[in-house]
Amino acid sequence: SQTIHQWPATLVQPVGSPLSLECTVEGTSNPNLYWYRQAAGRGLQLLFYSVGIGQISSEVPQNLSASRPQDRQFILSSKKLLLSDSGFYLCAWSYSGSMVGAKNIQYFGAGTRLSVL
Amino acid sequence: SQKIEQNSEALNIQEGKTATLTCNYTNYSPAYLQWYRQDPGRGPVFLLLIRENEKEKRKERLKVTFDTTLKQSLFHITASQPADSATYLCALDTGGFKTIFGAGTRLFVKA
Repeated sequence: SQTIHQWPATLVQPVGSPLSLECTVEGTSNPNLYWYRQAAGRGLQLLFYSVGIGQISSEVPQNLSASRPQDRQFILSSKKLLLSDSGFYLCAWSYSGSMVGAKNIQYFGAGTRLSVL
Repeated sequence: SQKIEQNSEALNIQEGKTATLTCNYTNYSPAYLQWYRQDPGRGPVFLLLIRENEKEKRKERLKVTFDTTLKQSLFHITASQPADSATYLCALDTGGFKTIFGAGTRLFVKA
């Protein structure tokens, strides 16, 4: 079966410090990978998605970046965090477009609560 | 751009009753509409998917309807239980790689 691991669960970082959140998927090959941010009481905001190694699409311009160094590894980074980067970050995967019946259903990790102080 | 509206007010119901949550969308009708459950501090969990040519879909105590004329989906939980208390998110498959999520409706089921 497929599993998704996301860590850390919580993180408190000072303004201006770097960030690295990691997400890995097991049990499937060539998944689509996603990073979302969720503000309190708000919907999920898609930040980045990737359909293959080294392929990153950015949805929202900001001081965050994403990388996919391996097929099932997705990393969210920042060189200098802002107060506005605080939030709940979620990694997700879906079956690749070649999967019949995939329907882009999203399978989420447990999330990372980031507080920038 | 596509927008999704879910009732931002929490829904409070008594155990055993049917909970009905609403999802309205604007612009084009998606090929698929999804519903997820999210517990506090956790990632959303997929529940049901309904296609545009399906009027209704059921899974145990859950029922979803999809009205492309009204641009609306209804999500029903019958015989609700306190364990059903959570936030329920509606999501639209854009037909590409992206899924657009609503802000969710919080459901409280009182014993």
